[in-house]
Amino acid sequence: AQSVAQPEDQVNVAEGNPLTVKCTYSVSGNPYLFWYVQYPNRGLQFLLKYITGDNLVKGSYGFEAEFNKSQTSFHLKKPSALVSDSALYFCAVRDPMIKAAGNKLTFGGGTRVLVKP
Amino acid sequence: EPEVTQTPSHQVTQMGQEVILRCVPISNHLYFYWYRQILGQKVEFLVSFYNNEISEKSEIFDDQFSVERPDGSNFTLKIRSTKLEDSAMYFCASSGGIANTEAFFGQGTRLTVV
Repeated sequence: AQSVAQPEDQVNVAEGNPLTVKCTYSVSGNPYLFWYVQYPNRGLQFLLKYITGDNLVKGSYGFEAEFNKSQTSFHLKKPSALVSDSALYFCAVRDPMIKAAGNKLTFGGGTRVLVKP
Repeated sequence: EPEVTQTPSHQVTQMGQEVILRCVPISNHLYFYWYRQILGQKVEFLVSFYNNEISEKSEIFDDQFSVERPDGSNFTLKIRSTKLEDSAMYFCASSGGIANTEAFFGQGTRLTVV
């Protein structure tokens, strides 16, 4: 079964400092990995994905994530955080070995990011 | 930019009542999903729908739940007899097709069962 772990419930960072949100996964085959962000009273907004190819993927709002197969990780990063990045971040995995028609995402528990001015 | 829309944004219902949550997926998408998020907990998969039938469902999606695509645009989730523990944010999502495409989520319907 596929699973995702986000070991930190909350990450606090000062504005302008680098931001990292950790994610590890478990799937039977090669994973498809996604990051979503949720602002208060809003839906989940897609940030970026890793499917194949370059391990470093770039996404919206200056975010990037690095796929590390040996560590089964897909950490989200931003070189210089903004106060407006304060939100709830979810890592998700899809196992393409599971029947394709399902396409379900399995989410981590979420990490709340608080960027202080 | 195309988006998934959900109505209502908030629904309060009495225990035992039926509720229907509505979604309009992105028009050229083929896969449709419902997820839920109980307050303070993770986002959980409920069901996926493709080619006018359920393609996968979780253990949460029991006989009290059903989904329907009554016309070419709407996608609904029905809970026949709501329980207190059904209180959650329900998200509809759609994706274009193959597994490497991202799902786009609606803003959610907050269901409160009293």
